[in-house]
Amino acid sequence: AQSVTQPDIHITVSEGASLELRCNYSYGATPYLFWYVQSPGQGLQLLLKYFSGDTLVQGIKGFEAEFKRSQSSFNLRKPSVHWSDAAEYFCAVGVTGGFKTIFGAGTRLFVKA
Amino acid sequence: DVKVTQSSRYLVKRTGEKVFLECVQDMDHENMFWYRQDPGLGLRLIYFSYDVKMKEKGDIPEGYSVSREKKERFSLILESASTNQTSMYLCASGTGVLETQYFGPGTRLLVL
Repeated sequence: AQSVTQPDIHITVSEGASLELRCNYSYGATPYLFWYVQSPGQGLQLLLKYFSGDTLVQGIKGFEAEFKRSQSSFNLRKPSVHWSDAAEYFCAVGVTGGFKTIFGAGTRLFVKA
Repeated sequence: DVKVTQSSRYLVKRTGEKVFLECVQDMDHENMFWYRQDPGLGLRLIYFSYDVKMKEKGDIPEGYSVSREKKERFSLILESASTNQTSMYLCASGTGVLETQYFGPGTRLLVL
């Protein structure tokens, strides 16, 4: 069965430090992968997506993610975190057969001054 | 910009009440979705629709129904609300099932 695992429920980083949020997926075919961010009190917003091609994808707000097929991973990174990045982050995989998107449980990011 | 609006941000209902959650999108998207969001569980798909009057069950459709009479509007109905339906409900729309989804701000429903 298809699934998405985000191993970290929450992460705390200092402002200005680098960030990596982990995501592992289970899917038999070529995955369509997404990262969304949910700021407090708001809906989800797309950060970036991967369908094919270059395995390193750039997104909005300075985020990037790298698709590693051998590790079934799609980790999200940012070189320098800002206090406004505090939010919940969701990794997701698009399922072609079921025509739907499966979301991970989310990782809440806290940023300390 | 794509805009997805939901009829209420907060809603308090009693057990057994019929509850309507409405969602409207302004970008002529074919696909619309209803999710519920619970801590530790992420987003779970309740229903989706790929065309007017068409609907498909998601992963957790029990206790819910939907209606899509117009392309821009997708309603979620709780026929008889129960306390285990207390949750955050998110509506989304998109051009294709594997394309970007655009989310509304959510409705936080409390069933007493």
